[in-house]
Amino acid sequence: ETGVTQTPRHLVMGMTNKKSLKCEQHLGHNAMYWYKQSAKKPLELMFVYNFKEQTENNSVPSRFSPECPNSSHLFLHLHTLQPEDSALYLCASTLRGADGYTFGSGTRLTVV
Amino acid sequence: SQKIEQNSEALNIQEGKTATLTCNYTNYSPAYLQWYRQDPGRGPVFLLLIRENEKEKRKERLKVTFDTTLKQSLFHITASQPADSATYLCALDMGDNTDKLIFGTGTRLQVFP
Repeated sequence: ETGVTQTPRHLVMGMTNKKSLKCEQHLGHNAMYWYKQSAKKPLELMFVYNFKEQTENNSVPSRFSPECPNSSHLFLHLHTLQPEDSALYLCASTLRGADGYTFGSGTRLTVV
Repeated sequence: SQKIEQNSEALNIQEGKTATLTCNYTNYSPAYLQWYRQDPGRGPVFLLLIRENEKEKRKERLKVTFDTTLKQSLFHITASQPADSATYLCALDMGDNTDKLIFGTGTRLQVFP
């Protein structure tokens, strides 16, 4: 365990489903991030939260909706996804000004 | 546009040799650069951070260099072991004091016994 816990680890959903990904950290970090990782592509930054305030929406389609109820929890709500949204979704956290991000193990999402 | 390039081909080396991975970037002025290791099906794991005013940084068998004139970082693993086999990612901050990281595609390293 890295200290950042993501659930579920695997998710298969239909294009009309609604699901949520969850990320949790108790490391005292004050910034949290969602990244998407597709095969043979670099990690794509999706959303940034600093002190639970969203500070970045990197041109992500509205079918992805983030929520950060407190500095320890981050959600990614999914609805009416497309097959090309199938990817590994990674959550990360950091203490602003400190070394490195701590990543979770990711949620492997398959849209059918 | 901003771009980070890492060797797209896998790097295969023999155990005990030094592995050298390259990260080149354009249209950036990052305040720091980071290296991560990623194993299949797992999230990246932070290894080292080097700041723009540092030329070299070491941690155990790892060494990172940062040349802001060449816009390049080199990542070295000395006395490589099969357990070092993984994908290594280079990441740069945006240079805008936001702590947002932009990642390269990674280089896959395979160390053979």
